[in-house]
Amino acid sequence: AQSVSQHNHHVILSEAASLELGCNYSYGGTVNLFWYVQYPGQHLQLLLKYFSGDPLVKGIKGFEAEFIKSKFSFNLRKPSVQWSDTAEYFCAVGVGKLVFGAGTILRVKS
Amino acid sequence: GAGVSQTPSNKVTEKGKYVELRCDPISGHTALYWYRQSLGQGPEFLIYFQGTGAADDSGLPNDRFFAVRPEGSVSTLKIQRTERGDSAVYLCASSPYPTGPSYEQYFGPGTRLTVT
Repeated sequence: AQSVSQHNHHVILSEAASLELGCNYSYGGTVNLFWYVQYPGQHLQLLLKYFSGDPLVKGIKGFEAEFIKSKFSFNLRKPSVQWSDTAEYFCAVGVGKLVFGAGTILRVKS
Repeated sequence: GAGVSQTPSNKVTEKGKYVELRCDPISGHTALYWYRQSLGQGPEFLIYFQGTGAADDSGLPNDRFFAVRPEGSVSTLKIQRTERGDSAVYLCASSPYPTGPSYEQYFGPGTRLTVT
């Protein structure tokens, strides 16, 4: 069965700290991977996606993610977080319909 | 341009009642998806339309749930004999294509359904 596991449900960081959110997936066939973000009071929006090619993907707002096929992982990173990055982050995998992880709530302290 | 819109934003209903939730996708998007998000969980796939037809309804939990998209644009998710366990945020998403490198799902704000 297809599944996505996000390792941390809550993360608290101070501004300027580095961020890495873990995501592991189990999926048969072609792997399309996504990170979505939901800011407080807003709807889900795409941060970045991986379809093929360079496994290091750069997204909006300074986020990046690395696809490591041997580890079935697609971790999200940002070198220096800002207070405005406070949000819930979802990893997802799929072709057509998406399978989402449970989400990681990130709180950045100013 | 306008994004995906969903109405109502909130719906409170009594157990056993029938509800309809509406989704207006981005104009021109052929693919439309419904997801359900329970508290503390990620979105869970319900059904996917390509045009007017349901391409994949494997996520519908039981026959109380039904969705239509008669003209290939607006979609309605229908829930009969609602149960308290149906309480969740129902999300709609659309995309211009169902697959491919440009593929991205654009999500609406959701409808929060509360069954009392």
